[in-house]
Amino acid sequence: QQQVRQSPQSLTVWEGETAILNCSYEDSTFNYFPWYQQFPGEGPALLISIRSVSDKKEDGRFTIFFNKREKKLSLHITDSQPGDSATYFCAASTGYQNFYFGKGTSLTVIP
Amino acid sequence: GALVYQYPRRTICKSGTSMRMECQAVGFQATSVAWYRQSPQKTFELIALSTVNSAIKYEQNFTQEKFPISHPNLSFSSMTVLNAYLEDRGLYLCGARAGSYEQYFGPGTRLTVL
Repeated sequence: QQQVRQSPQSLTVWEGETAILNCSYEDSTFNYFPWYQQFPGEGPALLISIRSVSDKKEDGRFTIFFNKREKKLSLHITDSQPGDSATYFCAASTGYQNFYFGKGTSLTVIP
Repeated sequence: GALVYQYPRRTICKSGTSMRMECQAVGFQATSVAWYRQSPQKTFELIALSTVNSAIKYEQNFTQEKFPISHPNLSFSSMTVLNAYLEDRGLYLCGARAGSYEQYFGPGTRLTVL
């Protein structure tokens, strides 16, 4: 059973638009949700994260919205730039336990 | 800041041979280190997890006999892929955790098996 699911698998937006990436999870004990950004040929970089005690986390153009009741979260990228084109992974964990990763959303931002 | 180094970045080995890769966390005290393999389809597979004061725990489908890991401390870890075959190819990622939350990845070691 896949613990973390992401949608869509791929997303294309125009420069300046808001990209919305979705994530859902199964285990209600998960309490930490990082998003990673990965460019081709590189390792995943921690982009932004949220803990389950919060419902929103903002960092510049990146915002996580978290709905604990529905076990869903989303990453909003406002004013998307071509440099944001990458694969984005949602992950979840509980305390010191291992992370569960989604299969990623490939984002393309067209100039 | 928190950085995780991995080397080599790329390696090619002949089928049936072995190769060793290393991981080093710099700038923070790692509380756990996890090794992952990312497939060409970008799916993450957890190989093993090491935490402070506990033994290395291998996930199903991965064994110590195939992927031995050693680390004098959690800031430095090495893993060997023994008798590598085509199905072992992929990007091997080391993730070091700071505290109970943030996990930082290295750039990965890309293994190609001929």
